[in-house]
Amino acid sequence: GEDVEQSLFLSVREGDSSVINCTYTDSSSTYLYWYKQEPGAGLQLLTYIFSNMDMKQDQRLTVLLNKKDKHLSLRIADTQTGDSAIYFCAESDGSSNTGKLIFGQGTTLQVKP
Amino acid sequence: GAGVSQTPSNKVTEKGKYVELRCDPISGHTALYWYRQSLGQGPEFLIYFQGTGAADDSGLPNDRFFAVRPEGSVSTLKIQRTERGDSAVYLCASSLSSGGGVADTQYFGPGTRLTVL
Repeated sequence: GEDVEQSLFLSVREGDSSVINCTYTDSSSTYLYWYKQEPGAGLQLLTYIFSNMDMKQDQRLTVLLNKKDKHLSLRIADTQTGDSAIYFCAESDGSSNTGKLIFGQGTTLQVKP
Repeated sequence: GAGVSQTPSNKVTEKGKYVELRCDPISGHTALYWYRQSLGQGPEFLIYFQGTGAADDSGLPNDRFFAVRPEGSVSTLKIQRTERGDSAVYLCASSLSSGGGVADTQYFGPGTRLTVL
């Protein structure tokens, strides 16, 4: 079945760039998403990329998609302490028309001042 | 405008009891999803509604779980004979549609934290 994998933890210093990586298995996914979850809160949509794109930039966020390797990354420039959270990569289930999402297990980003 | 809301925010119950969790989607969103998030994991799909009908319930773990959306708006997730393993955060999301385009972007509620003692 479909699977999404992420590294579990990343620690960076404030002001550095953060890169969170994700691999997925469903080559028929039309959209791939990044969500952010702060402690005790729901999921906040950060950005998404259409599967026929290689890159998408949105202010401090850059998403890179390597469709051949089924690899997705999220780069956060000038990382701030407020960026500390869990980041989830998700793919839309391309085998159905339901739009259900398949999530990775999340990467905890720790930003040290 | 209002986002997705879920009530209650926390629910503590005893093993064997029945619980209902409510989701109010964003107005005008026809697609509604329920996910379950266990501690340290990503959300896992439970069920999807398009309008009033459950179009995909393949994620429901067993027949103790049931969900309804009688008027195509508010949805209720019902769990019978709760077990300790049902303890998790139950998340609801809605989207304008579910056809595979940008309009399918799902917006999540804050979740209901269910604890079964």
